Parts: sequence; C-alpha cells; structure tokens
Amino acid sequence: KAGVTQTPRYLIKTRGQQVTLSCSPISGHRSVSWYQQTPGQGLQFLFEYFSETQRNKGNFPGRFSGRQFSNSRSEMNVSTLELGDSALYLCASSSGSSYGYTFGSGTRLTVV
Amino acid sequence: AQSVAQPEDQVNVAEGNPLTVKCTYSVSGNPYLFWYVQYPNRGLQFLLKYITGDNLVKGSYGFEAEFNKSQTSFHLKKPSALVSDSALYFCAVSLNDMRFGAGTRLTVKP
Repeated sequence: KAGVTQTPRYLIKTRGQQVTLSCSPISGHRSVSWYQQTPGQGLQFLFEYFSETQRNKGNFPGRFSGRQFSNSRSEMNVSTLELGDSALYLCASSSGSSYGYTFGSGTRLTVV
Repeated sequence: AQSVAQPEDQVNVAEGNPLTVKCTYSVSGNPYLFWYVQYPNRGLQFLLKYITGDNLVKGSYGFEAEFNKSQTSFHLKKPSALVSDSALYFCAVSLNDMRFGAGTRLTVKP
C-alpha cells in the first residue's frame, strides 16, 4: 500500500513569506502528526490532527498552523517565515497510538 | 507529561561487535515505546515497539530492545553490527502523542 506522501520535497522561501506543506497519510489512517527536525533541536512536535480536529499541540508560535481535511490529508502553514524556520518538516500518520507512526520523507524548507 | 532521553549523541562500534543505543523515558502510566531509524534526507523508519508483554522485543534488521520498568529504560541492541547500520536512531514514547529523544548517531566502522 502507498506510504505517507509529503509535497513538495524541497522549498526555498524568503523571510517574511508564508508556506504551505502537504501530507497525504496512509489510507485508513485518521491521525496525522507534524514534526520539525533541525540539527540543533532534534525532532520537535508541532501538532497532531485526528478526524479534522487538532488533538495535541507542541510549543510553537502561532505562525505555525495546520488543518486536516475530511479525507485525512493534512496541511501545515507557516506564516511570516524566519531564517530559523529552515528545517526538515516530517509528517507521520497512524491508526492508533499503540501502532506507532509511519513517516513521510519530509519537506526540506530553506528560508533565505 | 512524557519525555525521552538518549544520553549519547554518538556511538561508535566496529563491524561484527555488539551494539547498544541507550534510551530512558519518563511517563505517567504504561508507556508505548518505539525505536526508529533515519537515513540521510529521509523520514524515520520503524524498527520495533514495546506495548506490553515480553520485555525483550525483536524488530527489523536483527535489532532488539529490552524494556526495563524499574530503570525506565528501553535500550536498543544488536548482537553483531553491520556497516549498513550506520544511521541516526531515535527512541520515542507514545501516550497522547509521540515524543522523541534527541537521537543517537551510530557509526559502524569496518
């Protein structure tokens, strides 16, 4: 079966712009989580969506937002980009907390 | 609250030797524990998990992990390391959501 698909794979944006990243989960998975990965901070939890509702949220500023659609696809948006937002953004889907997550390959965002 | 600690940033072993990557956790209640591996510019790949039952869990690629409740540890092990095992390894605990350790870079030298 198809895995978790993240688009685009690479993005270059300018400070102050906004960006939208997309994630298509594994068919049947209703939970989608987002993580930011940087060399210095490791994997930081952004938020989790389940059935179109944000269920958990990490400690990120309000510039980071997300949503989930009825087909479980999810998007995350970052507004007013800063240089420090440069990172690998990973999406993961799950069918339940005891099953673990399946990760996409990530979107590499570079802010210049 | 839940958290995971991986005390070693880097682990170096020689090919053919056993390897251990350490992980300790802090969580209220019974944890679901996981190990993932990441290769360059890729997402994380699932290795193994502990939910309940036998404390020794076997996973992909010959890896195993031992759950120790009294020491709140979940160390990853492999009896004989391969050069191809060189990667970044993450321990994770899942309660309301999944939280990851900082990662341990494993380097296996020929």
